[in-house]
Amino acid sequence: DGGITQSPKYLFRKEGQNVTLSCEQNLNHDAMYWYRQDPGQGLRLIYYSQIVNDFQKGDIAEGYSVSREKKESFPLTVTSAQKNPTAFYLCASNPPGLHGNTIYFGEGSWLTVV
Amino acid sequence: SQQGEEDPQALSIQEGENATMNCSYKTSINNLQWYRQNSGRGLVHLILIRSNEREKHSGRLRVTLDTSKKSSSLLITASRAADTASYFCATAGGGFKTIFGAGTRLFVKA
Repeated sequence: DGGITQSPKYLFRKEGQNVTLSCEQNLNHDAMYWYRQDPGQGLRLIYYSQIVNDFQKGDIAEGYSVSREKKESFPLTVTSAQKNPTAFYLCASNPPGLHGNTIYFGEGSWLTVV
Repeated sequence: SQQGEEDPQALSIQEGENATMNCSYKTSINNLQWYRQNSGRGLVHLILIRSNEREKHSGRLRVTLDTSKKSSSLLITASRAADTASYFCATAGGGFKTIFGAGTRLFVKA
Protein backbone atom coordinates (compact mmCIF):
# COMPACT_ATOMS: atom_id res chain seq x y z
CA ASP A 1 0.00 0.00 0.00
CA GLY A 2 1.13 3.54 -0.72
CA GLY A 3 2.61 5.88 1.76
CA ILE A 4 5.61 7.77 3.07
CA THR A 5 8.39 5.98 4.89
CA GLN A 6 10.76 7.84 7.15
CA SER A 7 13.84 6.31 8.72
CA PRO A 8 15.24 6.02 11.23
CA LYS A 9 12.47 6.61 13.78
CA TYR A 10 15.02 7.61 16.45
CA LEU A 11 18.44 9.09 15.81
CA PHE A 12 21.10 10.43 18.12
CA ARG A 13 23.67 12.92 16.94
CA LYS A 14 26.90 13.94 18.57
CA GLU A 15 28.00 17.53 18.53
CA GLY A 16 29.63 18.43 15.21
CA GLN A 17 28.19 15.53 13.26
CA ASN A 18 26.06 15.62 10.16
CA VAL A 19 23.14 13.20 10.06
CA THR A 20 20.76 12.30 7.24
CA LEU A 21 17.08 11.48 7.60
CA SER A 22 15.57 9.35 4.89
CA CYS A 23 12.18 9.93 3.28
CA GLU A 24 10.72 7.70 0.57
CA GLN A 25 7.24 7.88 -0.97
CA ASN A 26 5.44 5.59 -3.39
CA LEU A 27 2.44 7.85 -3.91
CA ASN A 28 3.78 9.23 -7.19
CA HIS A 29 3.59 12.75 -5.77
CA ASP A 30 5.63 15.51 -7.33
CA ALA A 31 5.85 17.74 -4.25
CA MET A 32 7.70 16.79 -1.09
CA TYR A 33 8.34 18.67 2.15
CA TRP A 34 10.34 18.59 5.35
CA TYR A 35 8.90 20.09 8.52
CA ARG A 36 10.38 20.50 11.97
CA GLN A 37 8.19 20.22 15.07
CA ASP A 38 9.37 21.20 18.55
CA PRO A 39 7.52 19.81 21.59
CA GLY A 40 4.05 21.26 21.94
CA GLN A 41 4.51 23.40 18.85
CA GLY A 42 3.26 23.54 15.30
CA LEU A 43 5.11 22.66 12.13
CA ARG A 44 7.77 24.83 10.56
CA LEU A 45 8.77 24.32 6.95
CA ILE A 46 12.45 23.54 6.36
CA TYR A 47 12.63 22.76 2.64
CA TYR A 48 10.25 21.79 -0.12
CA SER A 49 10.57 20.38 -3.60
CA GLN A 50 8.03 20.66 -6.38
CA ILE A 51 9.86 18.50 -8.88
CA VAL A 52 12.94 16.33 -9.27
CA ASN A 53 16.25 18.22 -9.17
CA ASP A 54 14.60 21.32 -7.77
CA PHE A 55 14.02 22.45 -4.18
CA GLN A 56 13.35 25.65 -2.29
CA LYS A 57 14.17 26.92 1.18
CA GLY A 58 11.36 27.13 3.66
CA ASP A 59 11.17 29.30 6.75
CA ILE A 60 13.98 27.65 8.75
CA ALA A 61 16.43 26.23 6.19
CA GLU A 62 19.65 27.34 7.91
CA GLY A 63 21.73 24.37 9.02
CA TYR A 64 19.86 21.92 6.81
CA SER A 65 20.36 20.60 3.28
CA VAL A 66 18.32 18.41 0.94
CA SER A 67 18.53 16.70 -2.42
CA ARG A 68 15.88 15.50 -4.86
CA GLU A 69 17.57 13.17 -7.33
CA LYS A 70 14.58 10.86 -7.60
CA LYS A 71 10.87 11.54 -7.47
CA GLU A 72 10.45 9.03 -4.67
CA SER A 73 13.19 10.27 -2.39
CA PHE A 74 13.82 13.51 -0.48
CA PRO A 75 16.54 13.05 2.17
CA LEU A 76 17.25 15.74 4.74
CA THR A 77 20.74 16.32 6.14
CA VAL A 78 21.02 18.07 9.47
CA THR A 79 24.45 19.67 9.43
CA SER A 80 26.71 20.68 12.28
CA ALA A 81 25.73 24.27 11.50
CA GLN A 82 22.29 23.60 12.95
CA LYS A 83 22.87 24.59 16.57
CA ASN A 84 19.66 23.27 18.06
CA PRO A 85 18.67 20.21 16.03
CA THR A 86 16.83 18.25 18.72
CA ALA A 87 13.28 17.98 17.37
CA PHE A 88 10.72 15.81 15.63
CA TYR A 89 11.10 15.85 11.83
CA LEU A 90 8.23 15.17 9.49
CA CYS A 91 8.42 14.40 5.79
CA ALA A 92 5.35 14.96 3.65
CA SER A 93 4.17 14.95 0.07
CA ASN A 94 1.20 15.95 -2.02
CA PRO A 95 0.06 15.89 -5.62
CA PRO A 96 0.64 19.03 -7.68
CA GLY A 97 -1.76 21.92 -7.45
CA LEU A 98 -1.45 25.63 -6.91
CA HIS A 99 -4.46 25.87 -4.63
CA GLY A 100 -3.36 23.56 -1.87
CA ASN A 101 -4.01 19.85 -1.75
CA THR A 102 -4.17 17.31 1.03
CA ILE A 103 -0.73 16.70 2.45
CA TYR A 104 0.32 13.16 3.35
CA PHE A 105 2.78 12.70 6.19
CA GLY A 106 5.28 10.09 7.22
CA GLU A 107 5.47 8.88 10.82
CA GLY A 108 8.31 11.20 11.71
CA SER A 109 11.87 10.91 12.97
CA TRP A 110 13.06 11.95 16.41
CA LEU A 111 16.53 13.52 16.43
CA THR A 112 18.35 14.06 19.70
CA VAL A 113 21.73 15.66 20.23
CA VAL A 114 23.85 13.88 22.81
CA SER B 1 5.85 32.16 9.70
CA GLN B 2 2.69 30.78 11.27
CA GLN B 3 -0.59 31.97 9.78
CA GLY B 4 -3.17 29.85 11.53
CA GLU B 5 -3.68 30.23 15.25
CA GLU B 6 -5.75 27.66 17.07
CA ASP B 7 -7.80 28.36 20.14
CA PRO B 8 -7.83 27.03 22.78
CA GLN B 9 -4.28 25.73 23.11
CA ALA B 10 -5.59 22.82 25.17
CA LEU B 11 -9.04 21.40 25.83
CA SER B 12 -10.11 18.72 28.31
CA ILE B 13 -13.57 17.17 28.13
CA GLN B 14 -15.46 14.08 29.18
CA GLU B 15 -16.22 11.27 26.79
CA GLY B 16 -19.53 11.91 25.04
CA GLU B 17 -19.20 15.69 25.12
CA ASN B 18 -18.64 17.82 22.04
CA ALA B 19 -15.27 19.47 21.39
CA THR B 20 -14.94 22.75 19.52
CA MET B 21 -11.65 24.15 18.29
CA ASN B 22 -11.16 27.45 16.49
CA CYS B 23 -8.63 28.66 13.98
CA SER B 24 -7.91 32.21 12.87
CA TYR B 25 -5.75 33.23 9.96
CA LYS B 26 -4.46 36.46 8.50
CA THR B 27 -4.39 36.45 4.70
CA SER B 28 -6.74 35.32 1.95
CA ILE B 29 -6.90 31.58 1.36
CA ASN B 30 -7.96 29.08 -1.27
CA ASN B 31 -8.78 26.43 1.27
CA LEU B 32 -8.38 25.49 4.91
CA GLN B 33 -7.59 22.03 6.16
CA TRP B 34 -7.73 20.31 9.53
CA TYR B 35 -5.26 17.62 10.55
CA ARG B 36 -4.96 15.34 13.54
CA GLN B 37 -1.74 14.19 15.21
CA ASN B 38 -1.48 11.45 17.78
CA SER B 39 1.46 11.83 20.14
CA GLY B 40 4.76 11.08 18.41
CA ARG B 41 3.13 10.28 15.07
CA GLY B 42 2.66 11.96 11.73
CA LEU B 43 -0.29 14.18 10.88
CA VAL B 44 -3.40 12.74 9.31
CA HIS B 45 -5.69 14.78 7.09
CA LEU B 46 -9.25 15.11 8.41
CA ILE B 47 -11.12 17.51 6.18
CA LEU B 48 -10.63 20.29 3.61
CA ILE B 49 -12.99 23.21 3.16
CA ARG B 50 -12.68 25.53 0.18
CA SER B 51 -12.94 29.29 0.44
CA ASN B 52 -16.35 29.30 -1.27
CA GLU B 53 -17.79 26.78 1.19
CA ARG B 54 -19.25 27.69 4.58
CA GLU B 55 -19.74 24.31 6.21
CA LYS B 56 -18.64 20.74 5.68
CA HIS B 57 -19.35 17.47 7.45
CA SER B 58 -17.47 14.21 7.69
CA GLY B 59 -18.76 11.62 10.13
CA ARG B 60 -18.60 13.18 13.61
CA LEU B 61 -16.67 16.18 12.29
CA ARG B 62 -18.22 19.49 11.34
CA VAL B 63 -16.10 22.32 9.97
CA THR B 64 -17.23 25.87 9.37
CA LEU B 65 -15.43 28.64 7.54
CA ASP B 66 -16.08 32.37 7.79
CA THR B 67 -13.83 34.14 5.31
CA SER B 68 -15.10 37.57 6.37
CA LYS B 69 -13.77 36.92 9.89
CA LYS B 70 -10.85 34.83 8.65
CA SER B 71 -11.78 32.03 11.00
CA SER B 72 -12.75 28.38 11.03
CA SER B 73 -14.03 25.98 13.64
CA LEU B 74 -13.80 22.22 14.02
CA LEU B 75 -16.52 20.48 16.00
CA ILE B 76 -16.12 16.87 17.08
CA THR B 77 -19.42 15.48 18.33
CA ALA B 78 -19.82 12.73 20.90
CA SER B 79 -16.10 12.64 21.68
CA ARG B 80 -14.36 9.38 22.46
CA ALA B 81 -11.17 8.69 24.39
CA ALA B 82 -9.58 7.76 21.05
CA ASP B 83 -10.10 11.34 19.85
CA THR B 84 -7.35 12.45 22.24
CA ALA B 85 -4.78 14.09 19.97
CA SER B 86 -3.53 17.43 18.72
CA TYR B 87 -5.54 19.13 16.00
CA PHE B 88 -4.02 21.56 13.53
CA CYS B 89 -5.51 23.90 11.00
CA ALA B 90 -3.57 24.59 7.82
CA THR B 91 -4.14 27.27 5.24
CA ALA B 92 -3.27 27.33 1.56
CA GLY B 93 -3.31 30.63 -0.23
CA GLY B 94 -2.27 31.53 -3.73
CA GLY B 95 1.00 29.75 -4.22
CA PHE B 96 2.67 26.62 -3.05
CA LYS B 97 3.07 26.63 0.69
CA THR B 98 0.57 25.28 3.20
CA ILE B 99 1.01 26.91 6.60
CA PHE B 100 0.17 25.14 9.85
CA GLY B 101 -0.97 26.62 13.13
CA ALA B 102 0.37 25.66 16.56
CA GLY B 103 -2.48 23.24 17.26
CA THR B 104 -5.04 22.48 19.94
CA ARG B 105 -4.35 19.61 22.32
CA LEU B 106 -7.55 17.71 23.02
CA PHE B 107 -7.86 15.38 26.02
CA VAL B 108 -10.96 13.22 26.18
CA LYS B 109 -11.40 11.57 29.57
CA ALA B 110 -13.08 8.19 29.70
